Amino acid sequence: DQQVKQNSPSLSVQEGRISILNCDYTNSMFDYFLWYKKYPAEGPTFLISISSIKDKNEDGRFTVFLNKSAKHLSLHIVPSQPGDSAVYFCAATSGTYKYIFGTGTRLKVLA
Amino acid sequence: ETGVTQTPRHLVMGMTNKKSLKCEQHLGHNAMYWYKQSAKKPLELMFVYSLEERVENNSVPSRFSPECPNSSHLFLHLHTLQPEDSALYLCASSQVAGENSPLHFGNGTRLTVT
Repeated sequence: DQQVKQNSPSLSVQEGRISILNCDYTNSMFDYFLWYKKYPAEGPTFLISISSIKDKNEDGRFTVFLNKSAKHLSLHIVPSQPGDSAVYFCAATSGTYKYIFGTGTRLKVLA
Repeated sequence: ETGVTQTPRHLVMGMTNKKSLKCEQHLGHNAMYWYKQSAKKPLELMFVYSLEERVENNSVPSRFSPECPNSSHLFLHLHTLQPEDSALYLCASSQVAGENSPLHFGNGTRLTVT
């Protein structure tokens, strides 16, 4: 049973527009959520995280929103840039060392 | 050198070979992890070490054997692997295992078992 799901395998967005990547989870014990970006031939790079006591966290062009009642989080990238083209993974944990990852969404930003 | 470094980047081995993957972190973290990434699957946790003690062995076959000699180094010893073990093996570290802090990953070792 996949506890963290990214239902969109791919997304294309025009440069300068907003990219919205979505993630759903099933385990209500998760209290810390993270987003990672991965380029080909590199490891995942940490982007931004959010604790369950918040519903929004912002870092530059990246904002993560958490909707606990819907068990849903999203990553907004504004404005999108061609260098943002990568695979994005969401992950969740419940205060243990077990981080559960989604299968990823491939974002393509078109120039 | 900074961050998490993994060697080798690529490895091809036969099913009867013995090889080791190496990971080194320069972040002063106390926890280190091995993850496996297969095509079209989420990252799978294999092993976790906290302060050099193994705290998780996630039902991994014994042909994979981890070693953590100190908090900066982590090895994954491989022997008699199967072709289905071909995958990207990622090492990660975090400040403390069991507390909410991000994992920092290396660039991985792409393993092919022939």
